[in-house]
Amino acid sequence: DIVLTQSPLSLPVSPGEPASISCRSTQSLLHTNGHTYLNWYLQKPGQSPQVLIYMGSNRASGVPDRFSGSGSGTDFTLKISRVEAEDVGIYYCMQPLRTPFTFGGGTKVEIK
Amino acid sequence: EVQLLESGGGLVQPGRSLRLSCAASGFTFGDYAMHWVRQSPGKGLEWVGFVSSISYFIDYVDSVRGRFTISRDNAKNSLYLQMNDLRPEDTAVYYCARIIDVGQIGGYFDKWGQGTLVTVSS
Repeated sequence: DIVLTQSPLSLPVSPGEPASISCRSTQSLLHTNGHTYLNWYLQKPGQSPQVLIYMGSNRASGVPDRFSGSGSGTDFTLKISRVEAEDVGIYYCMQPLRTPFTFGGGTKVEIK
Repeated sequence: EVQLLESGGGLVQPGRSLRLSCAASGFTFGDYAMHWVRQSPGKGLEWVGFVSSISYFIDYVDSVRGRFTISRDNAKNSLYLQMNDLRPEDTAVYYCARIIDVGQIGGYFDKWGQGTLVTVSS
C-alpha cells in the first residue's frame, strides 16, 4: 500500500500569515498518463471533507486562490498564502492512484 | 443540486450485520463510480472501497474484504454497504463520496455525504 506522511501534525497560524503542509508518499504518484494522483481535502469542524486541490495542483471549483498545491513524484506541498479564520480544520492529502486509496494522517490548522 | 444522503447507521453488537444506504440526487448517478470512506471517532480518514459506475469493478481495503459488500442500484440512484461480522474497530462515521475520474485511473472526491455513524459495541 502507498503510505502518505503529512507534516506537521499541528499548525498554529496567525491570521494573514502563510501556512505550508507537506505530504510525502512512499511511491511516485506520477502516472504514465502524465497526471499526478495527489489530492488535498479540508475537513472543517463538524463537516464532511471537501476537496481543495486535485491532481497535485488543480484548484477545485469555488476554492479561493490563496490555496495552492505543488510537488511531483513523492513530495507535495499545500500552501495557504494568507490564512483566514475560515481555514481552520484538518487537512488531508490522499492518493487515488491505486487501491487501496490512502490518506495522510492529517494536519490540524488552528488560528493563534 | 448534487446531494448524497447516507442512512442506516446505529448501534450494533459485535458479530452482527448492518446495511448502509446512500441516496443520490441532482446528477446522473449511473455515470459515476462511488466510494465509501470512514472515519473512526477522533481519527483520520480511511478508504473502505468502491464500485464502478455499472458495478463492473469493486474493490475493498483489506481490513473489510470478505466482510463488507458494496453494491449499487442505478435505477434507484442508491449505493449500499453491507457490513457483516462487525467488529469494534469498524466503529466510525461512514461517508459515501462521488469520484470525478481523471485519466481512467483515479480521480478526486468532489461530493461527500454528511456521514452516518456506526457504533459496534456490546
